[in-house]
Amino acid sequence: DAKTTQPNSMESNEEEPVHLPCNHSTISGTDYIHWYRQLPSQGPEYVIHGLTSNVNNRMASLAIAEDRKSSTLILHRATLRDAAVYYCSPSSGGGADGLTFGKGTHLIIQP
Amino acid sequence: NAGVTQTPKFRVLKTGQSMTLLCAQDMNHEYMYWYRQDPGMGLRLIHYSVGEGTTAKGEVPDGYNVSRLKKQNFLLGLESAAPSQTSVYFCASSYTRSGLQPQHFGDGTRLSIL
Repeated sequence: DAKTTQPNSMESNEEEPVHLPCNHSTISGTDYIHWYRQLPSQGPEYVIHGLTSNVNNRMASLAIAEDRKSSTLILHRATLRDAAVYYCSPSSGGGADGLTFGKGTHLIIQP
Repeated sequence: NAGVTQTPKFRVLKTGQSMTLLCAQDMNHEYMYWYRQDPGMGLRLIHYSVGEGTTAKGEVPDGYNVSRLKKQNFLLGLESAAPSQTSVYFCASSYTRSGLQPQHFGDGTRLSIL
């Protein structure tokens, strides 16, 4: 199984961009890279996923390194509602593409 | 939209008791998953199902059983609860394999075993 490494916590100011890194150096060639976030007392929420190319959606952008051993989740203008724990997960972490989250990055947004 | 609904939300059990956690989804998803989340351990897959009538073991299946008699429901059973099973349990569903589609999670069941 591919393992991931993320910083324990990051801090940013409101309305500034945030770049959340993830290392997944043992990822296989067919694994998608998923990002989820989790607010206190809630279930994880899907943010974005990708395979090789950079991806954009209404919530965020995902930049994937050319060798796919790392990726960066980009929140273009952080708001207080973006304060959460962010997890990256290669898609083959478990059976039938079950997810495997590590400890994630606790994102703190300062007003 | 209800999405994924888990019941109960909280439960306290004594060691050796049994119980069933219910997960219901209204999105007509084929794939369903049960995870547990522990402090410092992240999210780990217990069992999963790729369709009605099917189940399979995940990363940490010991001490749990599951059933998927109806497409919309996925049940997680603890036959003889142990303190090591104190955790937050999450159910998730997806339309296809999650490599292609995102998983939708419920809000969890917080289970304490005394």
